[in-house]
This record gives sequence, C-alpha cells and structure tokens, in this order.
Amino acid sequence: EDQVTQSPEALRLQEGESSSLNCSYTVSGLRGLFWYRQDPGKGPEFLFTLYSAGEEKEKERLKATLTKKESFLHITAPKPEDSATYLCAVQAWETSGSRLTFGEGTQLTVNP
Amino acid sequence: DARVTQTPRHKVTEMGQEVTMRCQPILGHNTVFWYRQTMMQGLELLAYFRNRAPLDDSGMPKDRFSAEMPDATLATLKIQPSEPRDSAVYFCASGPVTGVLADEQYFGPGTRLTVT
Repeated sequence: EDQVTQSPEALRLQEGESSSLNCSYTVSGLRGLFWYRQDPGKGPEFLFTLYSAGEEKEKERLKATLTKKESFLHITAPKPEDSATYLCAVQAWETSGSRLTFGEGTQLTVNP
Repeated sequence: DARVTQTPRHKVTEMGQEVTMRCQPILGHNTVFWYRQTMMQGLELLAYFRNRAPLDDSGMPKDRFSAEMPDATLATLKIQPSEPRDSAVYFCASGPVTGVLADEQYFGPGTRLTVT
C-alpha cells in the first residue's frame, strides 16, 4: 500500500526566514510525486510534478527536490502570501492508472 | 483560463435527504476524480472515471453513495440518504491521461456539505 507522510504538521516562519517541508513516501513504483498548495476554503492548487530521483523544479520562492525516499519543498525568503497548507501526493505505476495518495499536509504560516 | 467547476459550493441538508453534487471537468480532460476532505481523514479518493467509465469506486460507501458521468462535461456524486458523518468538503478533480508521464490532476473549488 502506498504511503505518504509529511512533516512537520505545522510550521511558523518569520517573513524572510527560509525553511523546508518534508514528504516521505513508500510506493511500489513511483510514477510521479506531486506538490499542491491549498488555501482555506479552496481546492488544492497544482504546483509541481517530479518524476525521478535527483530532479528539481522551481517556481518563484519554491523549489521541490526528489530522492528515492522523500521530497523536500524548500521555501526561500517566504512572504506572508506563501501561508497555506502544502500537500504532497504520489502516483504509482499500476494497471488502473491515475490514483493519487495524499499526505496529511503541512500548514505553513508566514508572519510579517 | 480553464478550471474545474463545482455546484453547489455550499449545501446544508437534513439527515435522510438526498444530496447531488455536480462537476464540470476541464474540457479535454478524460479522467475525473471525486475526493472527500475532512480534518480527521485528510483527502480521500472516493471514485474516479476514465473516458466516462468508472475505474475505481472502492473509496465510496456503496449503500448510500453513487457516482456517474452522464456525459463528458458532467460528473455527479449522489448521497442517498445523507448522514451527519457525510459532512465534509467534496472535491472534483480532472486531468489528462498522457500514458507516459504521471497524470496531473486539477481540482475544483469544492462543495462544502453539512448534514444536520
């Protein structure tokens, strides 16, 4: 069974204080690892897909990296508008296709 | 700007009533997913469709939930009869199937259901 564990559950940062969120996963065969951002009262917003160990992707102050066991979402010089819950999900190679298994999320608060 | 749309956005109903939630996937996407999100369980997959055919509905309570795609522009999730434990936010997501790369999913704004 595929499993995703995110840590920490919650993180408070001061504006400009860089940090990282962790996503540990176990999956039979990784097809893709996804990062989403979710604001209160809204649906998850797609950020990145990572496919293989060593891959990195960047978007503004966010950089996602992937190893064979975990992914990190690095936040550089965060701003208050980066406050949200960040969700990690994995997709495995399986006959029935596109299922995602989500972690519980990390709730990030960036104080001005 | 293509988006998944869901209606209604909010629904308050009494226990025992039927609830129908609707979703319009992004045009051209051929997979559609229904998720439920609660504080206790996080995001749970209820059912999903590919090319309008149900592929997996193992996450749904079969006795009260049903999901259908009457056409490529409409997916529905019904609960009959509803119970207080069904109170949650229900998300629809859609995505393309590439067959090679991982299949991305794009979420709608959700339907917040409260059953009293």
